[in-house]
Amino acid sequence: KAGVTQTPRYLIKTRGQQVTLSCSPISGHRSVSWYQQTPGQGLQFLFEYFSETQRNKGNFPGRFSGRQFSNSRSEMNVSTLELGDSALYLCASSPLGRESQNIQYFGAGTRLSVL
Amino acid sequence: AQKITQTQPGMFVQEKEAVTLDCTYDTSDPSYGLFWYKQPSSGEMIFLIYQGSYDQQNATEGRYSLNFQKARKSANLVISASQLGDSAMYFCAVLGSARQLTFGSGTQLTVLP
Repeated sequence: KAGVTQTPRYLIKTRGQQVTLSCSPISGHRSVSWYQQTPGQGLQFLFEYFSETQRNKGNFPGRFSGRQFSNSRSEMNVSTLELGDSALYLCASSPLGRESQNIQYFGAGTRLSVL
Repeated sequence: AQKITQTQPGMFVQEKEAVTLDCTYDTSDPSYGLFWYKQPSSGEMIFLIYQGSYDQQNATEGRYSLNFQKARKSANLVISASQLGDSAMYFCAVLGSARQLTFGSGTQLTVLP
């Protein structure tokens, strides 16, 4: 069974641009979550999608958005990039189940550098 | 709100020895899950082990075991027979009703030959 696939793996953008990251979950998983990892703030939750609906959102500005398609693939978009958006963006998918048992399986991440 | 505390920024262990990575947590959810992940320098977050808050027995997965003490709110990871490939960053995390993982700051483990 293929794991979580994130594309691209590396991305370099300049301030003010926008970027779209893609995540394909494990087959059969319908929940997709996004996390941002930086040296200063650590791992922080961005948002979670389930059946094309955003179920939960972390404390990030509106420049960060996402969506999920009917095949459970998800994209996240960051508009008007700032230097502080440079980070490793991790996507995780999880199967259905009792909430606290939903093991989240992560992809390899997209490393975004904003110049 | 949930919080995870990992007090060991870095740990060293000799190859083939056992090592314990500390984790304490705080959550107001009556039901929650505790997780350990490994992150090598490549960046991928690898799931290691899960413990449910109502599970009576400590979880084990191969060389990994979770020492769960609910009253003390601790969920330490024990790695037995360390291998060079175990060198990585290790994160403890909690998942509650909000369905979002809250991570600790991590412990950098180095296995010495």
